[in-house]
Amino acid sequence: AQKVTQAQTEISVVEKEDVTLDCVYETRDTTYYLFWYKQPPSGELVFLIRRNSFDEQNEISGRYSWNFQKSTSSFNFTITASQVVDSAVYFCALYSGAGSYQLTFGKGTKLSVIP
Amino acid sequence: KAGVTQTPRYLIKTRGQQVTLSCSPISGHRSVSWYQQTPGQGLQFLFEYFSETQRNKGNFPGRFSGRQFSNSRSEMNVSTLELGDSALYLCASSLWVDRDETQYFGPGTRLLVL
Repeated sequence: AQKVTQAQTEISVVEKEDVTLDCVYETRDTTYYLFWYKQPPSGELVFLIRRNSFDEQNEISGRYSWNFQKSTSSFNFTITASQVVDSAVYFCALYSGAGSYQLTFGKGTKLSVIP
Repeated sequence: KAGVTQTPRYLIKTRGQQVTLSCSPISGHRSVSWYQQTPGQGLQFLFEYFSETQRNKGNFPGRFSGRQFSNSRSEMNVSTLELGDSALYLCASSLWVDRDETQYFGPGTRLLVL
């Protein structure tokens, strides 16, 4: 069975601080995909990144970076120099299940960036 | 380019009724997926369609069904509504470029079952 754990339910940081959102996943498959999504207060989901299990390279996109470590089954997301617009709920998700792929979401981490 | 559109945006139904939600993907996108979001269960995957074929289905009862048309527009149907079906239903269309996928989400349909 697949499982995604986002242990941090809520995080508050002051603007310009760096913040890391943790994601730990469980799967028995060797081929899988990991995602991060952002859901601002408006409610519309925003796709941030998709990473496959064979690509452990860290990814950087502007102030966002992702650290994928298969050894610890983690796919953590860091926002550098946070801004108020980063306030949102962030979801990590796992797509796996050879033969019948399922997309499993974590419970989400609510990030509040205080000005 | 128009984004993903979902209709209706809000819907109120009563238990036992059925409902059909519509999703129009971004032009040129052939993959559409549906998700349900509730306060209790969080985000859950419903189905994924590609070129009119259902590729994957989440763990939902048979009351939840969907289809995709030749123009890539998709509908999902929920029959015999239950109170627990009250949720935000999100649709996403995907663009595949060189085996890399980017998803674009619609604003969602908020369904309230009374």
